[in-house]
Amino acid sequence: EAGVAQSPRYKIIEKRQSVAFWCNPISGHATLYWYQQILGQGPKLLIQFQNNGVVDDSQLPKDRFSAERLKGVDSTLKIQPAKLEDSAVYLCASSRPMDGGYNEQFFGPGTRLTVL
Amino acid sequence: AQSVAQPEDQVNVAEGNPLTVKCTYSVSGNPYLFWYVQYPNRGLQFLLKYITGDNLVKGSYGFEAEFNKSQTSFHLKKPSALVSDSALYFCAVRDQDSGTYKYIFGTGTRLKVLA
Repeated sequence: EAGVAQSPRYKIIEKRQSVAFWCNPISGHATLYWYQQILGQGPKLLIQFQNNGVVDDSQLPKDRFSAERLKGVDSTLKIQPAKLEDSAVYLCASSRPMDGGYNEQFFGPGTRLTVL
Repeated sequence: AQSVAQPEDQVNVAEGNPLTVKCTYSVSGNPYLFWYVQYPNRGLQFLLKYITGDNLVKGSYGFEAEFNKSQTSFHLKKPSALVSDSALYFCAVRDQDSGTYKYIFGTGTRLKVLA
């Protein structure tokens, strides 16, 4: 099966600019996740979707970050305006329906964002 | 609050020797525990998981992990390390009683297998 697709792979922007990342999950995976991975740290969940509904966005900085998953398939994560501390790798993952939470996640290759 | 600790930033082991990467956790309910591996410039790949049942779970690439409830640990092991096992390893926990099923990741342990 095709894996989780993400684009772009790399992005360099100036602070206060905006940026958007795209993710296409594995076909049939109802649950989609966006993570932020800062260098030297483990991934931190930003937002979790079940189909096109938000399950958890408690760690999403909502004053600058937004995400949507229209039609319950692919998803977009946006940052506006970007800050220096947003420099990180943004990982998208998907998993089968959230039946008890025991399904492993499949990760995309990530987007490396550098904010100058 | 849920938490995962990986006490070692880096583990060095000679090729052919057994390896152990440590993980301890803290959750309010019963844990679902996972190990993932990350190779350079790639996303995380699932290795194995503990949900219930046998405390010793086997996963991909010859890795296994032992769940120890009394010590709240889930250490990753392999009997004989390969140079190609060199990568960044993450332990993660999901609190199945919380209802959110959110993953909490450890900070990662870099494994270096020396030829």
